[in-house]
Amino acid sequence: DTEVTQTPKHLVMGMTNKKSLKCEQHMGHRAMYWYKQKAKKPPELMFVYSYEKLSINESVPSRFSPECPNSSLLNLHLHALQPEDSALYLCASSYRSGSNEKLFFGSGTQLSVL
Amino acid sequence: GENVEQHPSTLSVQEGDSAVIKCTYSDSASNYFPWYKQELGKRPQLIIDIRSNVGEKKDQRIAVTLNKTAKHFSLHITETQPEDSAVYFCAAMSGGSNYKLTFGKGTLLTVNP
Repeated sequence: DTEVTQTPKHLVMGMTNKKSLKCEQHMGHRAMYWYKQKAKKPPELMFVYSYEKLSINESVPSRFSPECPNSSLLNLHLHALQPEDSALYLCASSYRSGSNEKLFFGSGTQLSVL
Repeated sequence: GENVEQHPSTLSVQEGDSAVIKCTYSDSASNYFPWYKQELGKRPQLIIDIRSNVGEKKDQRIAVTLNKTAKHFSLHITETQPEDSAVYFCAAMSGGSNYKLTFGKGTLLTVNP
């Protein structure tokens, strides 16, 4: 398996809902990421997990809550989102190549908050 | 922190022509420079990358060049095809325990048949 798999592909939720995004990779990659991407913009880093520990939180609002149950799985729990949180949410995983991380992205979850 | 500038923001070429996208970076500690291609509604896909100890890298019709002194790197696509149409993002990363990719703002490449 050479892919990062994300579910669901599309999600519509109200501002009072609680939902979760899921990400899975079976490539043995050591780090997993959540990115947010608005239309016509580059991906913006939200969180990084390295060896299942939260390594980076880019000052993301607490209505986004990441979870890494094991080295292959990454979740993003959503609660009380705002319409401006509507975006494509991308999961990525990476392996160490030389002195850098080589990142591979999943297909994303297109989120609409009503 | 790192800042990556990317030009042009849009590029339109005729099928068979070459396309060049240029990026500059600010942090001299950056040593890894990947390029991602993102077709409409799809994932960013890593198409080529280069490290700071290499000046040029080629993979079939795509090549990347790096000038460390000037802090700029470029993507070259030869013999463009309509399926090359996409948004291309350059990025930079420094080494060590760093997981942060700094992206350029993207270039929308359109290849006209």
